[in-house]
Amino acid sequence: DTGVSQDPRHKITKRGQNVTFRCDPISEHNRLYWYRQTLGQGPEFLTYFQNEAQLEKSRLLSDRFSAERPKGSFSTLEIQRTEQGDSAMYLCASSLGGLDTIYFGEGSWLTVV
Amino acid sequence: GQQLNQSPQSMFIQEGEDVSMNCTSSSIFNTWLWYKQDPGEGPVLLIALYKAGELTSNGRLTAQFGITRKDSFLNISASIPSDVGIYFCAGQLSFNKFYFGSGTKLNVKP
Repeated sequence: DTGVSQDPRHKITKRGQNVTFRCDPISEHNRLYWYRQTLGQGPEFLTYFQNEAQLEKSRLLSDRFSAERPKGSFSTLEIQRTEQGDSAMYLCASSLGGLDTIYFGEGSWLTVV
Repeated sequence: GQQLNQSPQSMFIQEGEDVSMNCTSSSIFNTWLWYKQDPGEGPVLLIALYKAGELTSNGRLTAQFGITRKDSFLNISASIPSDVGIYFCAGQLSFNKFYFGSGTKLNVKP
């Protein structure tokens, strides 16, 4: 299967701890996105990479959040000093440059207790 | 952020019935995408629309890109139990930025 892969699928952490999510996009997709989704809502844009460059960040991405895509392939999203309000599903998506269609992974559920 | 109004919020239908849902916005979009999401899973792309007026089918699903570029609809014909889920529309306003509606929850009674 060459779809978008996310790890871990579920994470329960105590408030104040740091967590990191990994995303492996579809092979050869040069664009990678992170979205956040809470219950009853649609996905909300967090950030976007083209190759290794982070080109856009949402205001939702506070300074406790950092995303990287060091070699233009996989990406990580780290949340430092987690808060209960960070509990959500974090979705990664990828697309091939020139095609305005994004494909999502299965998501990483975060629960902060 | 941009507001996409998706309706209805939820639907309860009988198996075999046709379903229609839509998204509207005050903004003009370049692309409309429709996704289905099952509980605990990521959204799965159903249909992509790239031109105003475009009508595209995928099996029992049909979607149209509104002529004003401010709306789109999705129809599902002859619904079956596995159609149950949440359907999201997404509009592309600018380069690589997609905005999502709040979803239509579909329930199908066998």
